[in-house]
Amino acid sequence: EPEVTQTPSHQVTQMGQEVILRCVPISNHLYFYWYRQILGQKVEFLVSFYNNEISEKSEIFDDQFSVERPDGSNFTLKIRSTKLEDSAMYFCASGGLAGGLTTQYFGPGTRLTVL
Amino acid sequence: AQTVTQSQPEMSVQEAETVTLSCTYDTSENNYYLFWYKQPPSRQMILVIRQEAYKQQNATENRFSVNFQKAAKSFSLKISDSQLGDTAMYFCAFIFSGAGSYQLTFGKGTKLSVIP
Repeated sequence: EPEVTQTPSHQVTQMGQEVILRCVPISNHLYFYWYRQILGQKVEFLVSFYNNEISEKSEIFDDQFSVERPDGSNFTLKIRSTKLEDSAMYFCASGGLAGGLTTQYFGPGTRLTVL
Repeated sequence: AQTVTQSQPEMSVQEAETVTLSCTYDTSENNYYLFWYKQPPSRQMILVIRQEAYKQQNATENRFSVNFQKAAKSFSLKISDSQLGDTAMYFCAFIFSGAGSYQLTFGKGTKLSVIP
């Protein structure tokens, strides 16, 4: 069964450093998402991506964040200058053969620790 | 704004028994989907079950079933014959198609412990 994959599983970085989190969505999906979950809290939407552009972003997704689909398979989230409060689990999700109102399938997550 | 409320922060159930997790939501939309996701200690988000709002029939997936009450905006999850592997956080989530927005809105979760 196809699944969403994410690398790395755990990333430790120093405050102020740039990180890139990588995702490979399910191959025939058209919509891609990043969500964040701070430890002990609920999952929060960051950004959605469709047709090679951002379709929606939340207040959390400020200028420090960017997303890219550099080729036909990868979907990346970049944080330019990490802050302590960026420490969280980051989930990539994909969904939608047509239209976005459909099931989103999540990857296993990347645990980001900012020191 | 759409909101999802899970009023039970923690619950426990004996192995092989049945448990029901509650979820209510608030929306003015008519076309939407509802989901239950499971998050075990590994923290991966696993889809348990989904319900389309236009369907009157309650969704079922093996031991998991929902009680969807559209007028009451209620979407509870019933787990039958609970197993130790069901121990996890359970998140209720909502998605609608308003203005091209397809983001999931999650509740705060219910921590379920299955006791041997």
